[in-house]
Amino acid sequence: EAGVAQSPRYKIIEKRQSVAFWCNPISGHATLYWYQQILGQGPKLLIQFQNNGVVDDSQLPKDRFSAERLKGVDSTLKIQPAKLEDSAVYLCASSLGQENNEQFFGPGTRLTVL
Amino acid sequence: AQSVAQPEDQVNVAEGNPLTVKCTYSVSGNPYLFWYVQYPNRGLQFLLKYITGDNLVKGSYGFEAEFNKSQTSFHLKKPSALVSDSALYFCAVRDRSDDYKLSFGAGTTVTVRA
Repeated sequence: EAGVAQSPRYKIIEKRQSVAFWCNPISGHATLYWYQQILGQGPKLLIQFQNNGVVDDSQLPKDRFSAERLKGVDSTLKIQPAKLEDSAVYLCASSLGQENNEQFFGPGTRLTVL
Repeated sequence: AQSVAQPEDQVNVAEGNPLTVKCTYSVSGNPYLFWYVQYPNRGLQFLLKYITGDNLVKGSYGFEAEFNKSQTSFHLKKPSALVSDSALYFCAVRDRSDDYKLSFGAGTTVTVRA
């Protein structure tokens, strides 16, 4: 079974630039998550999709971050404009459902904002 | 609101010795509890979960965890640690009363010396 795919693996940009990350979840997984993991901290949920609908985006900085999951499969997370404090690893995860199912994580995209 | 605490930033043990990684949680309802492991430059991997039933949960790679409701703890254990167990370990909790949002602890770095 193929795992969660993410690209790019690494990205370096300057502040105020824009960046986009892509995620392809495990086939058949209805729920998709984007997390931000700052160095030395646990992952923090940014947004959760159930199929192509948003379930929770309460911790997403909506003035600069946006995400979509067209057709309920792949997803993109965008930051525009980026700030220094956005430097982190962005993890995508998917699961069969929301409740007691474990989440499967991709390798992450390490973003450095200079 | 739910939260997870991992009181130890680092745990160091000798190979062959027992390994314990501590986790305590706070939720308003009944928790779903998870342990994940993260190796360098890789995404999080699921180890085990507690949903209901037997308080002792067995997972991947010889790990187990014990749910203790009175102490609100879910410590991860392995009877005999291996050098390959050296990694970053995260405890996480989901609360049904918080839309099943998964909250992670800050992580514990485990180093197993040969």
